[in-house]
Amino acid sequence: DAGVIQSPRHEVTEMGQEVTLRCKPISGHDYLFWYRQTMMRGLELLIYFNNNVPIDDSGMPEDRFSAKMPNASFSTLKIQPSEPRDSAVYFCASSLGQGLAKNIQYFGAGTRLSVL
Amino acid sequence: KNQVEQSPQSLIILEGKNCTLQCNYTVSPFSNLRWYKQDTGRGPVSLTIMTFSENTKSNGRYTATLDADTKQSSLHITASQLSDSASYICVVSGGRGYSSASKIIFGSGTRLSIRP
Repeated sequence: DAGVIQSPRHEVTEMGQEVTLRCKPISGHDYLFWYRQTMMRGLELLIYFNNNVPIDDSGMPEDRFSAKMPNASFSTLKIQPSEPRDSAVYFCASSLGQGLAKNIQYFGAGTRLSVL
Repeated sequence: KNQVEQSPQSLIILEGKNCTLQCNYTVSPFSNLRWYKQDTGRGPVSLTIMTFSENTKSNGRYTATLDADTKQSSLHITASQLSDSASYICVVSGGRGYSSASKIIFGSGTRLSIRP
């Protein structure tokens, strides 16, 4: 398997524009996670899915952020409208299940978002 | 308040030397503790996962220890190599499994630099 695949790797956009980040998890993984990483706040868990269903979105900063998982092999994180403070690296990760042995999360390479 | 604190913030050592990174947490109830390595421009990679019943776990030159009584963990790197230069992130999960995104607490990381 190629691992968790994210696109684009880099995104530069202007304030107010809609941004869509994409993620393809490892085949067979039941859990998918979206994280945000900044210098100031480090890594933050935004939302996670289990079998395509959002389980906990308590980490989503505000209504401008939304995430979907229409099927087991694809998820999107959308920001509308984007703001400069949304500039960060966004990571997607997936894992097999809840058991400890399956608890390892595999991260994608991330999308570096810059909102001007 | 659930917190994970890492020290030092940054560390520079010579190639071939050993070093130890620290992680103190106040997450309760405790489920497991993970150490991740994050190379610059890449997503985190899991090094070890430990539950409260495990005191030591090794992964090659990396050895993690856990004292659930004092709520402290350490990551020891033996015979450091240039490729060990990275950020090392301690992550503590509370509760059971993924019951709540808010129960996955990230440390701010230690940035390790290995000098030739």
